[in-house]
Amino acid sequence: GQQLNQSPQSMFIQEGEDVSMNCTSSSIFNTWLWYKQEPGEGPVLLIALYKAGELTSNGRLTAQFGITRKDSFLNISASIPSDVGIYFCAGPPDDVHRQYGNKLVFGAGTILRVKS
Amino acid sequence: DSGVTQTPKHLITATGQRVTLRCSPRSGDLSVYWYQQSLDQGLQFLIQYYNGEERAKGNILERFSAQQFPDLHSELNLSSLELGDSALYFCASSVGVGGSSYEQYFGPGTRLTVT
Repeated sequence: GQQLNQSPQSMFIQEGEDVSMNCTSSSIFNTWLWYKQEPGEGPVLLIALYKAGELTSNGRLTAQFGITRKDSFLNISASIPSDVGIYFCAGPPDDVHRQYGNKLVFGAGTILRVKS
Repeated sequence: DSGVTQTPKHLITATGQRVTLRCSPRSGDLSVYWYQQSLDQGLQFLIQYYNGEERAKGNILERFSAQQFPDLHSELNLSSLELGDSALYFCASSVGVGGSSYEQYFGPGTRLTVT
């Protein structure tokens, strides 16, 4: 099946630093989503991307839909302690036969820790 | 707060037992999804319902079943529980089945522990 590979697996950064993480696939995705999950909570939708090359911001977060359609990037500027959590990329698998509905596949996540 | 509610928050039960997890979607959303999150498998799609009808199935075991009721709430039934079924179970909802329905909003989850 289609898999999403996230890197890095984890990051431990200083408060105020910028963060970059990415998500890659061997297959094309037509939609990319980024979620954040904090301990004991469900994933929270951060950004959705629908067009190759699209760049979308949500506050200090910026995500890009790679032009090859096989990757996406998430940047966080000027990190703060509340940015701590696990960041997941997700997307719908190729559904030529319309059998997957609105299923999402998720990457394994990037764990972000922030030193204050 | 996503607007998706799930009960119970925690559930501890024994092997061989059956449990029911409940979910209410965001107001106005017609699609409900169930996902399982475990340390070794990550977040895995189980099943989607749209307006009461099953829409798509993922890696859902035959021991598991779900349904969506006329008021749009959903239940996930897990039976003949095994130790390996211990996981977080999330419900998510979205507006419908179009492209924007990939924007799914997750509930707080139910942590199931099978002993």
